[in-house]
Amino acid sequence: DARVTQTPRDKVTEMGQEVTMRCQPILGHNTVFWYRQTMMQGLELLAYFRNRAPLDDSGMPKDRFSAEMPDATLATLKIQPSEPRDSAVYFCASGLVLGGGYTFGSGTRLTVV
Amino acid sequence: GQNIDQPTEMTATEGAIVQINCTYQTSGFNGLFWYQQHAGEAPTFLSYNVLDGLEEKGRFSSFLSRSKGYSYLLLKELQMKDSASYLCAVTNAGKSTFGDGTTLTVKP
Repeated sequence: DARVTQTPRDKVTEMGQEVTMRCQPILGHNTVFWYRQTMMQGLELLAYFRNRAPLDDSGMPKDRFSAEMPDATLATLKIQPSEPRDSAVYFCASGLVLGGGYTFGSGTRLTVV
Repeated sequence: GQNIDQPTEMTATEGAIVQINCTYQTSGFNGLFWYQQHAGEAPTFLSYNVLDGLEEKGRFSSFLSRSKGYSYLLLKELQMKDSASYLCAVTNAGKSTFGDGTTLTVKP
C-alpha cells in the first residue's frame, strides 16, 4: 500500500532548539498538508501546498514556523526556536485535489522540554 | 470562518448500530469527510460526501444534507475494534477543517 512517510517518529528537544520534521507524500499526490494535534485543540491545519506551491499557512505562527516543499517528494516543517507549547503530534497528509480522502502519515510526536 | 460540532463522547454495545452527528457552519463548502482515528495512531479516511444523500460502504454509511449543514456517520454491527475517535471534516477549496472528534466506546 502507498503511504505517507514522516520522520522522525518521536523527537524530544530542549526549548530554543531548532526542530525539522520531514514528510514524503504519496507519489502522484498533488496536495500536501501539515496538521498539529493536541488534546486541547484537536487537529489544526498549519499549512498546505498544491503542486508544491504554498496555498495557505495562516494557521502557522510565522515568527517561528516555516513550511517548505523543495521537491515533489519532500515537505518540511521547521520550528525555530522551539517552545514547550509546541509539544504536539504533527501530521503530514497528502491527496489529490478532487475526490477521495487524504492519507495521513504516522505523525511526529514532538516534546519540547 | 468554520464551525464544526460533534458530540464529545458516545457509548454503544457490540453488535448494535450507532449514529454520530456532525453539524457545520462554514463560509464555503465543497465536501465533507469522515475519518477514524484510533488512540495513538493517524486518522484514516472513511468517507467523502459531496452531494446530499447517503453513501454506503460496508458497515459504515455517511449522510449529508447541505441545506441543513448536517451530516452523520452510521456504524452498523458494531465491533470492539470500532472503539476510536471519529472526526468530521469540511473541505473548501482543497482545505479541510476538522471537528474535535467523537470518541466512541464499544462495550461487550
